[in-house]
Amino acid sequence: QVQLQESGPGLMKPSQTLSLTCTVSGGSISSADYYWTWIRQPPGKGLEWIGNIYYSGSTYYNPSLKSRLTISVDTSKNQFSLNLTSMTAADTAVYYCANMYSSSYYFDSWGQGTLVTV
Amino acid sequence: SFELTQPPSVSVSPGQTASITCSGDKLGKKYASWYQQKPGQSPVLVLYRDYERPSGIPERFSGSNSGETATLTISGTQAVDEADYYCQAWDRFTVFFGGGTKLTVL
Repeated sequence: QVQLQESGPGLMKPSQTLSLTCTVSGGSISSADYYWTWIRQPPGKGLEWIGNIYYSGSTYYNPSLKSRLTISVDTSKNQFSLNLTSMTAADTAVYYCANMYSSSYYFDSWGQGTLVTV
Repeated sequence: SFELTQPPSVSVSPGQTASITCSGDKLGKKYASWYQQKPGQSPVLVLYRDYERPSGIPERFSGSNSGETATLTISGTQAVDEADYYCQAWDRFTVFFGGGTKLTVL
């Protein structure tokens, strides 16, 4: 089973840009079987989908975040990344990376999550 | 636009059956998945493709999806099943999560 691990800053100031990286092990990020996904969860609240990237580089973003969001993939490092600009307190959340099966659209593996506080 | 609606909370006595619903427009025509999340932990997949169980998920977890509603059913609920449960579906290249249901085992 694929394992995922998020990395990035835990504390940010308003207006800064969040950069997170997810390192994939136990599988190839170039696999056509998966969409690589970012999901977040504000403290005490539910899950919010941020966006997906496919190995080809195709991206799919939450419309509410699209103007501030970039998701990219680095096949040489087996990693994918998130950049979210103009951070505010409303972006404070646990950020998860996960892999979604491209044929059945479910999340098989999740990272442990990283808390980002603005 | 598409959205998924879950009851905020469900209570069940140990050993009884708990049912958690997830409603959305024509949800029965899409695959529904369910995740269990305990405090401080990442979500865990408990059902996919409406009713399929990943390896390691007990048989007491079952599911259905028809019309506008997907249902997660936990038979013989145990104290260890107390958690938040989220449904999820995919529509037009977008992932949707339900708001989550807190299952309390009294």
